[in-house]
Amino acid sequence: DAGVIQSPRHEVTEMGQEVTLRCKPISGHNSLFWYRQTMMRGLELLIYFNNNVPIDDSGMPEDRFSAKMPNASFSTLKIQPSEPRDSAVYFCASSPGRGAADTQYFGPGTRLTVL
Amino acid sequence: ELKVEQNPLFLSMQEGKNYTIYCNYSTTSDRLYWYRQDPGKSLESLFVLLSNGAVKQEGRLMASLDTKARLSTLHITAAVHDLSATYFCAVDMRGGADGLTFGKGTHLIIQP
Repeated sequence: DAGVIQSPRHEVTEMGQEVTLRCKPISGHNSLFWYRQTMMRGLELLIYFNNNVPIDDSGMPEDRFSAKMPNASFSTLKIQPSEPRDSAVYFCASSPGRGAADTQYFGPGTRLTVL
Repeated sequence: ELKVEQNPLFLSMQEGKNYTIYCNYSTTSDRLYWYRQDPGKSLESLFVLLSNGAVKQEGRLMASLDTKARLSTLHITAAVHDLSATYFCAVDMRGGADGLTFGKGTHLIIQP
């Protein structure tokens, strides 16, 4: 298996632009998670899905952030409009079962820089 | 709010020495996870500890969990340079129904 796939790997954009991050989970995994990593705040859970349904989005920082999972093999995290403080590495992770009881497998991350 | 605290946050040690990283968490949970992250890389799962008293070992790393004390340890035996990385512990938020809350990480440097 190719593991969790994320694209793009690097994104540089200007403040106010829309940014879309993409994730393909491991085939057969039922849960998908989006995390953000910064030096100041560490790793934070943004949102997670189970069987394509958003279960908990309490970690989404603002209404500028939205996430979708239209099918079992694809998810997007969108930021509109982007701000410099959104600069971070965004990780997608997937696990076989519901919630965190199973090991979560992390993708390579998308390094976002908002100028 | 669940809090996960690791200590130390930075550790520089010599090859061949033993050391322990500690992970305390603030609420009841019987699931704890250890991950490794190399600079600029993703997170790699090391251990999943699912019950009180659980102990797992892989090579020079051994992890244990005491749910009563809300404490997990990651013990490094006879450290080698290849173990230099940042190590994170993580706890699920509400008994397995949600994503993980991570500690700040322990940045480990092992010098020859």
